[in-house]
Amino acid sequence: NAGVIQTPRHKVTGKGQEATLWCEPISGHSAVFWYRQTIVQGLEFLTYFRNQAPIDDSGMPKERFSAQMPNQSHSTLKIQSTQPQDSAVYLCASSLVGRVGEQYFGPGTRLTVL
Amino acid sequence: GDSVTQTEGLVTLTEGLPVMLNCTYQTAYSTFLFWYVQHLNEAPKLLLKSSTDNKRTEHQGFHATLHKSSSSFHLQKSSAQLSDSALYYCALSANYGNEKITFGAGTKLTIKP
Repeated sequence: NAGVIQTPRHKVTGKGQEATLWCEPISGHSAVFWYRQTIVQGLEFLTYFRNQAPIDDSGMPKERFSAQMPNQSHSTLKIQSTQPQDSAVYLCASSLVGRVGEQYFGPGTRLTVL
Repeated sequence: GDSVTQTEGLVTLTEGLPVMLNCTYQTAYSTFLFWYVQHLNEAPKLLLKSSTDNKRTEHQGFHATLHKSSSSFHLQKSSAQLSDSALYYCALSANYGNEKITFGAGTKLTIKP
């Protein structure tokens, strides 16, 4: 079991460019979560999917952030027109449906917006 | 909305001394409480989970008891080890079918020889 896979591990973008982050959940896990981690804000929930359906996106900045889960083996987080304040580590986690809180986190993608 | 409060941002202890990290929470729902630990350059990992009032939960030498009367879930360990140095997050998930986790701000624990 390879664990949750996130690619790329590091991404540098210029202000105004687009960034797409990828997540492959653990096989058999049908709940997929996205979080953002910064020193100032800590771990912030962004959005989550259950059986590929979006369930809660209450943490997503509405204008430039979007997430999809086109199939059970991957999810993407897209940030349009990146801004320096988007610089953070973006973490993906997965769990078995119903196993509340028993989330397995990926290593994260460190996004740096210049 | 749901919230988790961790009052200590930084805790520094000498090896062998007891550890206690504070956590209180607010929610309108029946809830699960968690402690996650994140070592340097690693992903967060679940350390403890509880939803039962007044029941002690233990794992890897750490323990916590959920007290619904005081909305608390403090993390304790009897004797700190150097390897316990890490970032500790208290978190909750309200038990109403939404599995998202709300994290506290985190406590950075540093253990010195």
